Amino acid sequence: DAGVTQSPTHLIKTRGQQVTLRCSPISGHKSVSWYQQVLGQGPQFIFQYYEKEERGRGNFPDRFSARQFPNYSSELNVNALLLGDSALYLCASSLGTGVSYEQYFGPGTRLTVT
Amino acid sequence: AQKITQTQPGMFVQEKEAVTLDCTYDTSDPSYGLFWYKQPSSGEMIFLIYQGSYDQQNATEGRYSLNFQKARKSANLVISASQLGDSAMYFCAMRGPSGYSTLTFGKGTMLLVSP
Repeated sequence: DAGVTQSPTHLIKTRGQQVTLRCSPISGHKSVSWYQQVLGQGPQFIFQYYEKEERGRGNFPDRFSARQFPNYSSELNVNALLLGDSALYLCASSLGTGVSYEQYFGPGTRLTVT
Repeated sequence: AQKITQTQPGMFVQEKEAVTLDCTYDTSDPSYGLFWYKQPSSGEMIFLIYQGSYDQQNATEGRYSLNFQKARKSANLVISASQLGDSAMYFCAMRGPSGYSTLTFGKGTMLLVSP
């Protein structure tokens, strides 16, 4: 069975540009979460979607937005990129949003902002 | 608010020895889940083991076991018989019913296994 997939793998952008990252969850998983992992730190929660509705948002500016499509895939958009947005962006999917549901992570998209 | 603390930036262990990675947590929720993930240099987060707050027994998954001490709010990962392939970053994480039921991660521990 295919795991969580993310595209692109790597991305280089210039300050002020906009970027869209994509995520396809494991088949049957209806919940997708996005995390940002800056070098040397643990992942930080950005967004959670379940059944195409936003269920939660972390402490990130409005430049960050996301959506979930009817097939449960998801996009993360970041506008007006800053150098500090350089990070590994991880997508995770799970069957549900309860405490015990394991989150399965994709390989991540490594974004570099110059 | 939930918080995870991993106080060991790095750990060294010889192959075939056991190693314990420390994790303490803080939450006001009575129901929560504790997770350990492994992150190799490739970047992908690999799930290792889960412990629920109401579980009476410590979780085990192959060579991994979780030493859960609820009163002390600790959830240490024990890796028995370390292998060279265990060299990676290890993250402790918590998921609770409050907030968004997403994962709160610690800063991680880098484990290096030597021959």
